[in-house]
Amino acid sequence: GAVVSQHPSRVICKSGTSVKIECRSLDFQATTMFWYRQFPKKSLMLMATSNEGSKATYEQGVEKDKFLINHASLTLSTLTVTSAHPEDSSFYICSAHGGEETQYFGPGTRLLVL
Amino acid sequence: GQQLNQSPQSMFIQEGEDVSMNCTSSSIFNTWLWYKQDPGEGPVLLIALYKAGELTSNGRLTAQFGITRKDSFLNISASIPSDVGIYFCAGRFTGNQFYFGTGTSLTVIP
Repeated sequence: GAVVSQHPSRVICKSGTSVKIECRSLDFQATTMFWYRQFPKKSLMLMATSNEGSKATYEQGVEKDKFLINHASLTLSTLTVTSAHPEDSSFYICSAHGGEETQYFGPGTRLLVL
Repeated sequence: GQQLNQSPQSMFIQEGEDVSMNCTSSSIFNTWLWYKQDPGEGPVLLIALYKAGELTSNGRLTAQFGITRKDSFLNISASIPSDVGIYFCAGRFTGNQFYFGTGTSLTVIP
């Protein structure tokens, strides 16, 4: 299957700082990428849909000014958690839609805000 | 967003036993996907289904796209310890967005 990478895999930061997470499709061009948040032992919660060259579409209840998404190329989308707080600690996962009717997930990024 | 009902929520089975889990939706879908997620990792695609009634296998895994287009099931035969993980179903009607099930946590006892 297609390969999607995420960087970093783990990050610990101080409260109030910003953290950028990268999502890359390595062997295909992804016109659409998705960002999810997952709490322990819970399902995936869609945060936003990222379309190359246009603004992201955010799900209800997700603050767009806090979770900045940029999809500057067909292989890269970034999620920036601005002014992170402990309640933002979570597992963030991206996925990419590459034209087939499937989604391929990245390995996830564990964020811990102290 | 919409969420699919997945059952059972968790399963504890003996190694060698068969496993069956299903996913239901109040809406019809045109695509059903099944994923497995290991702890601390992203979900990995197991099987993709594109037609109502379709039955697809991937090794010991078999999945079916329900004829009503509102459900799908996943079977695992002769379970082994490495089958442990959380299994998610996902459905799509149109467009790029998929809706995910609540997950089935599988524990295999050696």
